[in-house]
Amino acid sequence: GAGVSQTPSNKVTEKGKYVELRCDPISGHTALYWYRQSLGQGPEFLIYFQGTGAADDSGLPNDRFFAVRPEGSVSTLKIQRTERGDSAVYLCASSLGLFNEQFFGPGTRLTVL
Amino acid sequence: KQEVTQIPAALSVPEGENLVLNCSFTDSAIYNLQWFRQDPGKGLTSLLLIQSSQREQTSGRLNASLDKSSGRSTLYIAASQPGDSATYLCAVCGRGAQKLVFGQGTRLTINP
Repeated sequence: GAGVSQTPSNKVTEKGKYVELRCDPISGHTALYWYRQSLGQGPEFLIYFQGTGAADDSGLPNDRFFAVRPEGSVSTLKIQRTERGDSAVYLCASSLGLFNEQFFGPGTRLTVL
Repeated sequence: KQEVTQIPAALSVPEGENLVLNCSFTDSAIYNLQWFRQDPGKGLTSLLLIQSSQREQTSGRLNASLDKSSGRSTLYIAASQPGDSATYLCAVCGRGAQKLVFGQGTRLTINP
């Protein structure tokens, strides 16, 4: 079956611009997670959805970051007024439900010039 | 706050050797622990999931152990192959929190 997919695979933008990153979870997975990975580091949690609602957004670094999952499947991570420090790989994961194994997508590499 | 540490940061061994990667965590109140593999420029591939009530899990040449009380997990790789070269990450899921907390990873190189 299809795994988690993310688009685009690469995104280059200029400082101050707005970007959207998309995640398609594994079909039937109710939980969806966003993580951010800087070079040479392990991924860091951003936000988690159970169904359509954000159950935990404690990892979002500031109010420029926002994520939605309107129909309980596809999710979009939105970053306003991008800064060079936002450059990283953004990873999405999904799981069948609470405390289940998380499966990751290939990531979106964001570069802010 | 949960912290996860992986030692060593990098490891290089000849093909065919058995090896152990280490992971430690500061808060023993975990729900489960996952080991992942990450190839350069790629996403994470789940290798093994150990529930907090389990002591170990095996998949092929991989064996992961968990000692929750001491805050430690090990990943044992038997008969290593060049294709095992990758970064290995461990991550813990705390009770009451869905998020995974990751270590920084161990970069493994298997030399032919």
